Amino acid sequence: KQEVTQIPAALSVPEGENLVLNCSFTDSAIYNLQWFRQDPGKGLTSLLLIQSSQREQTSGRLNASLDKSSGRSTLYIAASQPGDSATYLCAASNTGNQFYFGTGTSLTVIP
Amino acid sequence: EADIYQTPRYLVIGTGKKITLECSQTMGHDKMYWYQQDPGMELHLIHYSYGVNSTEKGDLSSESTVSRIRTEHFPLTLESARPSHTSQYLCASSELGKATNEKLFFGSGTQLSVL
Repeated sequence: KQEVTQIPAALSVPEGENLVLNCSFTDSAIYNLQWFRQDPGKGLTSLLLIQSSQREQTSGRLNASLDKSSGRSTLYIAASQPGDSATYLCAASNTGNQFYFGTGTSLTVIP
Repeated sequence: EADIYQTPRYLVIGTGKKITLECSQTMGHDKMYWYQQDPGMELHLIHYSYGVNSTEKGDLSSESTVSRIRTEHFPLTLESARPSHTSQYLCASSELGKATNEKLFFGSGTQLSVL
């Protein structure tokens, strides 16, 4: 079973800053790792999926990296905007059957 | 447009009632999941399914049941609701196959309150 930790629990940045969100997991035998965005009272939206054989994935202003040996993934957000304010969750899967979620980082981008 | 739908969006019900939370997807996905999420906490897997007539238990399955009679439909039933069941319930789906296809797609959730 994976234990997934996300630090910090909350983060506030001024608009335009680049920022990094952290995700750590305990079992390096990872199948894939996903980053999600969740707006208040809503479901989750998948942002990026990284397979175990990959080191990073990019989509627009988002870049996610995966380092299995250290048990870490990061989500880099470039040129942050107020619309990026949300909770960001990561989830790690060992077998593809079950995803283990972190508790998320609540991001506020201040105009 | 392909999507995943959950109804009702909000439900307030009394203790002891039987309830069914509905989930349907038009994504054409084989795998479907039910998760429970409390505020500020991680998601916990309740049940999942690989396809028609396939259901598996997750970590929190003991007080609920699911069925998968049709590919697109995966309802969750609580036989006797209790205040401890108050939570947000999220349905998700994904393709069955390679790691690249395992991206999870979520519905908007059902917020359940048991009085």
